[in-house]
Amino acid sequence: NAGVTQTPKFRILKIGQSMTLQCTQDMNHNYMYWYRQDPGMGLKLIYYSVGAGITDKGEVPNGYNVSRSTTEDFPLRLELAAPSQTSVYFCASRGGGSNEKLFFGSGTQLSVL
Amino acid sequence: AQKVTQAQTEISVVEKEDVTLDCVYETRDTTYYLFWYKQPPSGELVFLIRRNSFDEQNEISGRYSWNFQKSTSSFNFTITASQVVDSAVYFCALSEIYRGAQKLVFGQGTRLTINP
Repeated sequence: NAGVTQTPKFRILKIGQSMTLQCTQDMNHNYMYWYRQDPGMGLKLIYYSVGAGITDKGEVPNGYNVSRSTTEDFPLRLELAAPSQTSVYFCASRGGGSNEKLFFGSGTQLSVL
Repeated sequence: AQKVTQAQTEISVVEKEDVTLDCVYETRDTTYYLFWYKQPPSGELVFLIRRNSFDEQNEISGRYSWNFQKSTSSFNFTITASQVVDSAVYFCALSEIYRGAQKLVFGQGTRLTINP
């Protein structure tokens, strides 16, 4: 059982570069989320999706874009990377019940220099 | 807006001591869910417990126990007879409905260090 898989695990970007963080889940979950965790802080929601073709902004969406063409995949794109985007990024998914727990990926550590 | 406060940024105890991690939340929802997650040094997030707002019974799972008190909006987590492997960052989280979809609001986390 793979669960939620994120790639890459680590990445260093130069200012202004772009990249896509990949996230895929094999649990047929409708809900998917992208969070970022800054050093010593909790998680902040970037974007989320309630199903294929439907996405919406979270608390900190600026500088990011997402797409959800399939139930399994929820990539996060960084355009014009900035040092403020240095963080650990977590993808998560959950089933449809309101009390369902989130399943998290193992995280992507991104540094923008 | 919902808010979760974990006032203890860092806690350090000696192995075998009991330790309590505090969590206080704010919400206007009458139905909500509270969670605790553990983040060990390896970085992944591990689900520990989920509690709904209608169930105020305390829960015990081995050395872990949770005290949910709706009257004080608190959901505290106690580790009994702590072990070095309990060293991690612990996050309390509250579910909320945001633009029609449920999401979790996280506290800032408490870094727990268990010293041998």
